Amino acid sequence: GAVVSQHPSRVICKSGTSVKIECRSLDFQATTMFWYRQFPKQSLMLMATSNEGSKATYEQGVEKDKFLINHASLTLSTLTVTSAHPEDSSFYICSAISGYNQPQHFGDGTRLSIL
Amino acid sequence: DAKTTQPPSMDCAEGRAANLPCNHSTISGNEYVYWYRQIHSQGPQYIIHGLKNNETNEMASLIITEDRKSSTLILPHATLRDTAVYYCIVRVAQGGANNLFFGTGTRLTVIP
Repeated sequence: GAVVSQHPSRVICKSGTSVKIECRSLDFQATTMFWYRQFPKQSLMLMATSNEGSKATYEQGVEKDKFLINHASLTLSTLTVTSAHPEDSSFYICSAISGYNQPQHFGDGTRLSIL
Repeated sequence: DAKTTQPPSMDCAEGRAANLPCNHSTISGNEYVYWYRQIHSQGPQYIIHGLKNNETNEMASLIITEDRKSSTLILPHATLRDTAVYYCIVRVAQGGANNLFFGTGTRLTVIP
């Protein structure tokens, strides 16, 4: 149980393109979803916290107009990297929890490469 | 959140028990200890968590000292597939969410 699916697993696109990443909880309803970013040889850094039906809460230094998060249902959250540039190339990972004090379960990540 | 300290790397022979230590001397009474691991190029995988009692599941055992200032994750029979970075995280749930702070973790290498 507690499977989180992330799609696509890899994206390569040109600079200036907007890229949408989907995160789905397959066998549970996710009250909260999280988006992380991981650069090579570094640890995961939280970007934003998303609750279904409300605006996402962004961590300091993360531009909300650049990283658009939509959490329209209890099983789906999307992250859109708008007008992506090479410095946005990274490993983006989502996670979800089913309730208070439950462990986070992670997707397998999306490797984004901007040329 | 309480900070954690883990050794940067460890080796373990295949088939032997892997004991991964974690210090969290400033942990608060309502903070849980979580363990995750990340295999290269994948998302983190939840392993186990606990508050003050020792815990065991199909993947591992978690031993928490009585003063809760440190803990040990035990993989009873390490396999090559257990090679990964292991993260020890302490966190209290706030408002229904419990975002995690990932430190640098311990890179465990299981040797044939």
